[in-house]
Amino acid sequence: KAGVTQTPRYLIKTRGQQVTLSCSPISGHRSVSWYQQTPGQGLQFLFEYFSETQRNKGNFPGRFSGRQFSNSRSEMNVSTLELGDSALYLCASSPEISGWETQYFGPGTRLLVL
Amino acid sequence: KNQVEQSPQSLIILEGKNCTLQCNYTVSPFSNLRWYKQDTGRGPVSLTIMTFSENTKSNGRYTATLDADTKQSSLHITASQLSDSASYICVVSDDKKTSYDKVIFGPGTSLSVIP
Repeated sequence: KAGVTQTPRYLIKTRGQQVTLSCSPISGHRSVSWYQQTPGQGLQFLFEYFSETQRNKGNFPGRFSGRQFSNSRSEMNVSTLELGDSALYLCASSPEISGWETQYFGPGTRLLVL
Repeated sequence: KNQVEQSPQSLIILEGKNCTLQCNYTVSPFSNLRWYKQDTGRGPVSLTIMTFSENTKSNGRYTATLDADTKQSSLHITASQLSDSASYICVVSDDKKTSYDKVIFGPGTSLSVIP
């Protein structure tokens, strides 16, 4: 079974731009969650989508948004990029909602904001 | 406030040696604890997951211990290999079915194994 895939793997943007990241979950997994990882803050939960609906949300500004498609693929969008948005963005999939015991992470997208 | 602390922050050991990483948590009530290994530039990979009733769980050369009374966990790596160089993250949940925003991630310990 293929694992969680994320595209692109690396991205360079400038302040003020927007960016869209993509995540394809493991086949059969309906929950996709997104995390931001920075050296200073560690892993922080952004949001979880299940059956095309946002189910849980972390403490991030409205510039961070996401969506999920009927095939469970998910996209995350960050608008008006700031330097502090530079991070590794990880997505994880699970067969069930909030199923963190059965959660598998993707390789991440490394975003650099200049 | 629910917190997870890990020590040391970073560690360098010689190939073939053993090492132990520590995780202290204040999450209450406690449900389960998970250790992840994260290679540089990659996503975390689960090593072990333990409930409050488990004291020890092994995965190859990795052995995790849990003391729910003192709220401490350790990850012991035996006969280290160069491929063990990674960040090790301790994650604690207060409920088996808790929402992800209530899952507490530790800051990680960066392990470097040198020849």
